[in-house]
Amino acid sequence: EPEVTQTPSHQVTQMGQEVILRCVPISNHLYFYWYRQILGQKVEFLVSFYNNEISEKSEIFDDQFSVERPDGSNFTLKIRSTKLEDSAMYFCASSEREPAGFSEKLFFGSGTQLSVL
Amino acid sequence: KNQVEQSPQSLIILEGKNCTLQCNYTVSPFSNLRWYKQDTGRGPVSLTIMTFSENTKSNGRYTATLDADTKQSSLHITASQLSDSASYICVVIRNYQLIWGAGTKLIIKP
Repeated sequence: EPEVTQTPSHQVTQMGQEVILRCVPISNHLYFYWYRQILGQKVEFLVSFYNNEISEKSEIFDDQFSVERPDGSNFTLKIRSTKLEDSAMYFCASSEREPAGFSEKLFFGSGTQLSVL
Repeated sequence: KNQVEQSPQSLIILEGKNCTLQCNYTVSPFSNLRWYKQDTGRGPVSLTIMTFSENTKSNGRYTATLDADTKQSSLHITASQLSDSASYICVVIRNYQLIWGAGTKLIIKP
């Protein structure tokens, strides 16, 4: 089965540093997402991306965050100046059509565990 | 307030036994409800997707039920296996938003 791949699987960074999390969505998918999950807590929506622009973002996705699709296959999440509270598992996801549509499936990657020290 | 509540928070059962996980929601308007399985340190994987008109949907040993009137859903796992140990998350879709439950952590003991 096709899958969403994320790199790296673990990222350790110092507070205030920039990090870039990388994702390769499933090749024929058109919608891309970033979610995060702080240890022991619910999955939280960050941002959705379609047709080379952000279609929706949450309150968490402030000016420190940005997303980019630099080429036809990669989808990246950049955190400009990391804070301790950014420590979480970050999941990339993709779907052929919007997931909230009728019976749409959302495919998740295995995540990048970000630790901010 | 649009919320998804799951119970129990955690559950331990013996291999081979059945179990049922509960999901109550107050989300409106409702589009569809999904159950995901999340292995530790991995991304969620879709098990079932149910629309308003569907009462039951099965995926192998997993059977989800939906009562849209009482806003309740359940996930029944039959003949549990060690590989069923995971968190099971109920997600309700409202106006293109995914409203996530906190999940039930299921542990299967040999």
